[in-house]
Amino acid sequence: EAGVAQSPRYKIIEKRQSVAFWCNPISGHATLYWYQQILGQGPKLLIQFQNNGVVDDSQLPKDRFSAERLKGVDSTLKIQPAKLEDSAVYLCASSLQAGAFRETQYFGPGTRLLVL
Amino acid sequence: GENVEQHPSTLSVQEGDSAVIKCTYSDSASNYFPWYKQELGKRPQLIIDIRSNVGEKKDQRIAVTLNKTAKHFSLHITETQPEDSAVYFCAASTAGGSSYKLIFGSGTRLLVRP
Repeated sequence: EAGVAQSPRYKIIEKRQSVAFWCNPISGHATLYWYQQILGQGPKLLIQFQNNGVVDDSQLPKDRFSAERLKGVDSTLKIQPAKLEDSAVYLCASSLQAGAFRETQYFGPGTRLLVL
Repeated sequence: GENVEQHPSTLSVQEGDSAVIKCTYSDSASNYFPWYKQELGKRPQLIIDIRSNVGEKKDQRIAVTLNKTAKHFSLHITETQPEDSAVYFCAASTAGGSSYKLIFGSGTRLLVRP
């Protein structure tokens, strides 16, 4: 079974520039998550999709971050404009469902973003 | 909202010794508690999980215990090996409205000395 795929793996940009990350979840997984992991901290949920609908974006800085999940499969996360404090690893994860004993999350390799 | 605290932040043990990492959570409705291992520069990988209807679960050298009354759970690694060196994250589920998500602890960096 193929795992969660993410690209790019690394990205360096200057502040105020834009950047986009892509995630392809495990086939058949309805729930997709985007996390931000700052160095030395645990992953923090940014947004959660159930199929192509958003179920939780309470921690997403909506003035600069946006995300979509086209056709309930792939997803993109965008930052525009980037700030220095956005430097982090952006992890995508997926699960069969959210809850109901099908909530085990599998993570992608992450995209390491450095904002200069 | 849910808050998960994890201790210690760093742990150094001699190869062959046991390691214990502890987490506490605040939401009494939490019912799912996974543990992830993250090696440097790699993705978090699930190593064991436990649900609230079970008090203990074992998988070879790894075990997790859950005390629902005290709202804490622990990861136990026995006979540690150098390849166990990594950062370990606990997490607890929380639900609200249509959202069901995980809240992660801040991580424990485990070093196993040969």
